[in-house]
Formats: sequence, C-alpha cells, structure tokens
Amino acid sequence: DIQMTQSPSSLSASVGDRVTITCRASQGISSWLAWYQQKPGKAPKPLIYAASSLRSGVPSRFSGSGSGTDFTLTINSLQPEDFATYYCQQYDSYPRTFGGGTKVEIK
Amino acid sequence: EVQLVQSGAEVKKPGESLKISCRGSGYRFNNYWIGWVRQMPGKGLEWMGIIYPDDSDTKYSPSFQGQVTISVDRSINTAYLQWSSLKASDTATYYCARESLTSAESDYWGQGTLVTVSS
Repeated sequence: DIQMTQSPSSLSASVGDRVTITCRASQGISSWLAWYQQKPGKAPKPLIYAASSLRSGVPSRFSGSGSGTDFTLTINSLQPEDFATYYCQQYDSYPRTFGGGTKVEIK
Repeated sequence: EVQLVQSGAEVKKPGESLKISCRGSGYRFNNYWIGWVRQMPGKGLEWMGIIYPDDSDTKYSPSFQGQVTISVDRSINTAYLQWSSLKASDTATYYCARESLTSAESDYWGQGTLVTVSS
C-alpha cells in the first residue's frame, strides 16, 4: 500500500494568513493526488484533483502543487469558512489511501 | 444533478448483521466506480473498497478484506456495504463516494451513515 503522510497534523492561523499543508507519498504517484476539505459532521468536499486542478466552484485562494512524492495545498488569505480539516488522497493505485489529515484552527 | 443518498443511522448490537446503502442519481450509475470510506469517531478517513456497478468488479483494502462485503443492485442504482457480525470497533460514519471518470478522484460523496454498535 502507498502510505500518505501529511504535515502538520494541526495548525493555528488567523484570517488573512497564508497556510501551507504538505503531503508525502511513500512512492511516486505522478500527479494522482486529490485534496478534500471536511467540516465537523459533514462529508468531505473535493477541492483539488490531479495535484493542481481546482474543482469547479472552489475559490481561487486554494491551490495545489507537486508531483511524484511531494505535494502541497496552499490557502492564500485564509477565510473564516476555511477552518476545517484537510485530507490528501492518492488514487494512483489500489487501495486508495488518505493522509492523516490537517486540522486548521483559528488562532 | 449528481447525488449519492445514503441510508439512515443504525444502532446495532455486537454480533448482529447490517447492510447500509448508497443510491446514485443524476448520472449513468453503471459506469462509475463507487467506493466506501470509514471515519471512526474523531479520526481520519480510511478507504475500504470499491465496486464497478456494470460488472460488479470489486477491490478491497487489505485492512477491510474479509471484514465487509461490497455489492450493488444495478436495477435500483444502489451500492451496499454489509457486515455479517458487527463489532464495537465498527462504530463509525461510513461514506460512499463516486470516482470521477476522467481522473479517479472521489468527486461526489454521500452524506454519510452513522453506525453505532453497542451492547
């Protein structure tokens, strides 16, 4: 199985901050990586696919980058509605695997 | 509009069986993989397995192989996740999610089904 390691596991930030979350795969996955946002009691919401492609309707302050084993999710100018937990997922091979999550909290 | 609608919350006792469902609408159900994801209370997302409705091809995570069964009823556009003998450790919210045709990320998710197993 491909292991996905996210860091940090949590962070505190203020509205307007720039936030960066990293995700590392245990082996190369090309660009087959997605990012999801999850709020308490809700289903995950897809944000980014193919490492850097923004899903329709997702604000442009979200961006993704990387390929191979190292990936980044960046949120520019953090907004109140962005406080949530973020997960990466590889879909290069089965079983699909998720990172452990990064909880973004209000400072 | 693409929708995945899951069955309601369940409360069961250890050793009981259970089958939860996920009905797809607004797209060609047979031609998209549907997966299941577990989220234990306060924990992260765990990918369990996936099924292709058109031919019922199924793939499981090794962590869940033999513990659950994924199936589908094409006639009613519904995928299922079932247990033959529940354990307290099966207490979790379970999500179904459709895999995109173009990129294979999970592009639509059900609302989740909370399963509580307690004596």
